[in-house]
Amino acid sequence: QSALIQPPSASGSPGQSVTISCTGTSSDVGGYNYVSWYQQHPGKAPKLIIFEVNKWPSGVPDRFSGSKSGNTASLTVSGLRAEDEADYYCSSYGGSNNLVFGGGTKLTVL
Amino acid sequence: QVQLQESGPGLVKPSETLSLTCPVSGYSISSGYFWGWIRQPPGKGLEWIGSIYQSGSTYYSSSLKSRVTISVDTSKNQFSLKLTSVTAADTAFYYCARQRGHQLVDYWGQGILVTVSS
Repeated sequence: QSALIQPPSASGSPGQSVTISCTGTSSDVGGYNYVSWYQQHPGKAPKLIIFEVNKWPSGVPDRFSGSKSGNTASLTVSGLRAEDEADYYCSSYGGSNNLVFGGGTKLTVL
Repeated sequence: QVQLQESGPGLVKPSETLSLTCPVSGYSISSGYFWGWIRQPPGKGLEWIGSIYQSGSTYYSSSLKSRVTISVDTSKNQFSLKLTSVTAADTAFYYCARQRGHQLVDYWGQGILVTVSS
C-alpha cells in the first residue's frame, strides 16, 4: 500500500485561505468516503480535525473544511491564524483492513 | 476521556526485538474499537503498523507483516507491539492509538521515541 501524495509545503498569510491536497488511487481515496485529516504541532501527537471527508470532531473550528473529487481529497484552512502553523496529514481507508497515510504537508503562516 | 500512554525501552540493538505496551484509561478495550500502532521516523511522515480488535483479531501493514505481532490483554486493559529483527530504519516515534475501524484514528498516545543502535 503506497503512501498518499501530499505537497511537502504550503503557506499563507493571516486571514487568508490555503488548500492542501491529498492524492491517492481508486483503491483508497477514490474508493471510499473515509478520508481524514490530522494536525500535528512540533513535538506533539497528531490530532484529528476532519473525518469522513468533511465532518468535524467535536471542538474543531469550522475554519477547517474537507472535500474530495475523484482520487484527490483536499483540506482548506480559512481565516489563517498563527496557531494553524503545523504539519498536516491525510489518511484514507485503503481496503482490506488497511489504513494509509499521506506524507504530510508543512503549513507555514507567513 | 480516553487516554493512551506508550511504554517500553527507548533504545534497542539492531537485530533484536522492539517491545512496547500501551495501557488504556477512560475506556474499556473490551467494549470495542480497534487499537493500533503507528510510527513516525524523526522528521518524516506517519506509517500505520497494524491494529487489533478486542476479540484478538489482528491486522498488519503488508510491508511489516512478517515482523510484527500485536496482542491485547483485556484484564489489564492494554495492548502491545512486538517488532522483530529491527534495523536503524525502524528508529521512529511509536504511537499507540484508538481506531474507528480502519477509517481513522480518534485518540493518540503521546508517542515514544525508539532508537535502534548498538
